[in-house]
Amino acid sequence: AAGVIQSPRHLIKEKRETATLKCYPIPRHDTVYWYQQGPGQDPQFLISFYEKMQSDKGSIPDRFSAQQFSDYHSELNMSSLELGDSALYFCASSFYISQTQYFGPGTRLLVL
Amino acid sequence: AQTVTQSQPEMSVQEAETVTLSCTYDTSESDYYLFWYKQPPSRQMILVIRQEAYKQQNATENRFSVNFQKAAKSFSLKISDSQLGDAAMYFCAYRRTNRDDKIIFGKGTRLHILP
Repeated sequence: AAGVIQSPRHLIKEKRETATLKCYPIPRHDTVYWYQQGPGQDPQFLISFYEKMQSDKGSIPDRFSAQQFSDYHSELNMSSLELGDSALYFCASSFYISQTQYFGPGTRLLVL
Repeated sequence: AQTVTQSQPEMSVQEAETVTLSCTYDTSESDYYLFWYKQPPSRQMILVIRQEAYKQQNATENRFSVNFQKAAKSFSLKISDSQLGDAAMYFCAYRRTNRDDKIIFGKGTRLHILP
């Protein structure tokens, strides 16, 4: 069965650079969620989209923005990167009837 | 605000034995979902089991079962016949029933399997 796809899988950036993370949900899933998991931490919710509209917002820094496109894929844009942004970024998707969120493999971001 | 608490940062179990991971949560909602996710060294988040709060019957998935005590707000995971591949971080998680609501995770329990 098709799973959530995230790209890139690994990313190394310098401080103050920008990064773009992409997420391709499972086909026919209409909702996308972004989570951030710091080293040794539990995943923290950043933002979600339903039918291309932002539906909820968590502890997402103002330096970050995200959107969901017409084909339902989503991008998380991160600017002015800081060392503390180094983390594993998960995308998850769901279909409203299912209520279960399926996670992608994550993008490991390292900020030097 | 909803919270999820896992009081056991680490646990160990002998291969083929049974182990129970504890989880408590706090919510004022009457209907919600509870989950256990497994995160192996690859760091993939894998759904182990899911429980709907309106269902009194405890969920079971092969060697994994839960003990859901709604009044006590307790949701423990039992792993029977532990295998080396069960070694991972296990997260207890909560979600309201709103269609697009976020998941709230506990801090996790790292499970070691002793050969």
